[in-house]
Amino acid sequence: AQSVTQPDIHITVSEGASLELRCNYSYGATPYLFWYVQSPGQGLQLLLKYFSGDTLVQGIKGFEAEFKRSQSSFNLRKPSVHWSDAAEYFCAVGADNQGGKLIFGQGTELSVKP
Amino acid sequence: DGGITQSPKYLFRKEGQNVTLSCEQNLNHDAMYWYRQDPGQGLRLIYYSQIVNDFQKGDIAEGYSVSREKKESFPLTVTSAQKNPTAFYLCASSPVDSPLHFGNGTRLTVT
Repeated sequence: AQSVTQPDIHITVSEGASLELRCNYSYGATPYLFWYVQSPGQGLQLLLKYFSGDTLVQGIKGFEAEFKRSQSSFNLRKPSVHWSDAAEYFCAVGADNQGGKLIFGQGTELSVKP
Repeated sequence: DGGITQSPKYLFRKEGQNVTLSCEQNLNHDAMYWYRQDPGQGLRLIYYSQIVNDFQKGDIAEGYSVSREKKESFPLTVTSAQKNPTAFYLCASSPVDSPLHFGNGTRLTVT
């Protein structure tokens, strides 16, 4: 079955500390992978995407993610977290570049301590 | 500014009533989507449309209906047949071969 798992429901990090959010997927075809961020009561904003090529992709707001096919993972990282990064983060996988019919993970809520 | 407008932001209805959620986009995108978001469950696809006058069911279409009479508009009707309609509903659109752009959502509460 196709699925996306984000093992961490809630993570708290200190401002300035590094961050890694985990994402594992199960998908039969070549995956197209996405990370989105959602502030409370708002829509989702695309952070970055991976379709092919370099397995380390850079996104907006200083985020990056690494695709590891052997581990079926697409973890999101940021070297130094800012208080404004507090939000919910969703990993998603799709079948093609259009990205519309996505399977989303359950989300990871990030809290940032001052 | 181009974007996706969902209205209203909050919607309250009594059980047994149908309700329609509005979604309008001025991005000239061909494809539009409706997702439902529940706490701890991520987003699930309800319906999508890749062209005017055509749409397909997503993973949880039961109890919902849509129409796509104009490229800019993709309203979602939550019918009385939907057993658990209270949720946050997100509309999205995309051009061909590009990721989704989301609206800011409508929170529907049915009592």
